[in-house]
Amino acid sequence: DADVTQTPRNRITKTGKRIMLECSQTKGHDRMYWYRQDPGLGLRLIYYSFDVKDINKGEISDGYSVSRQAQAKFSLSLESAIPNQTALYFCATSGAAGTGELFFGEGSRLTVL
Amino acid sequence: GQSLEQPSEVTAVEGAIVQINCTYQTSGFYGLSWYQQHDGGAPTFLSYNALDGLEETGRFSSFLSRSDSYGYLLLQELQMKDSASYFCAVRGFQKLVFGTGTRLLVSP
Repeated sequence: DADVTQTPRNRITKTGKRIMLECSQTKGHDRMYWYRQDPGLGLRLIYYSFDVKDINKGEISDGYSVSRQAQAKFSLSLESAIPNQTALYFCATSGAAGTGELFFGEGSRLTVL
Repeated sequence: GQSLEQPSEVTAVEGAIVQINCTYQTSGFYGLSWYQQHDGGAPTFLSYNALDGLEETGRFSSFLSRSDSYGYLLLQELQMKDSASYFCAVRGFQKLVFGTGTRLLVSP
């Protein structure tokens, strides 16, 4: 089983719908992240959390919200999806602060029509 | 803020050596990471440099010069399976900011 699991892996939805992407991890890490990947733009940070009571905005948080339900669970919501939110979304975790190493889930491909 | 620059594409042949450069501008710098991502897959961690110098891990090496705001990933004895995208990422305060990636194409 994967250490970082994302659901759903693929989702097609319509403009204006509410969407939730879920992430769970078994690595025991406190730090969790949501990134968005678009062709030619690399990975851009949406939100991150260092523990259950800590939520921080990243570079591109507008139009997104998150919830850290437990140490192991971090979900990303699009309250009213729009077509330019079509992208590949990755959840990641990290342990100690000084390693520069993130562990990524397999990604959730979202298409907004 | 932070910005990173790396070439969009590099091509090489099997058995060759290739260097992927990364320059960065950042207001806070703790280290430089490298990640590999195959098409359809998730990024996977390759290396991290916090101090100046060369770090070697098998066929892959990573170099950092903090004074030049520059680093590179060196891949030796290239194999077809090395065809992938490679991302440099700056570790700043609390978070990792990624470059736009370099697509490496290895041909026979």
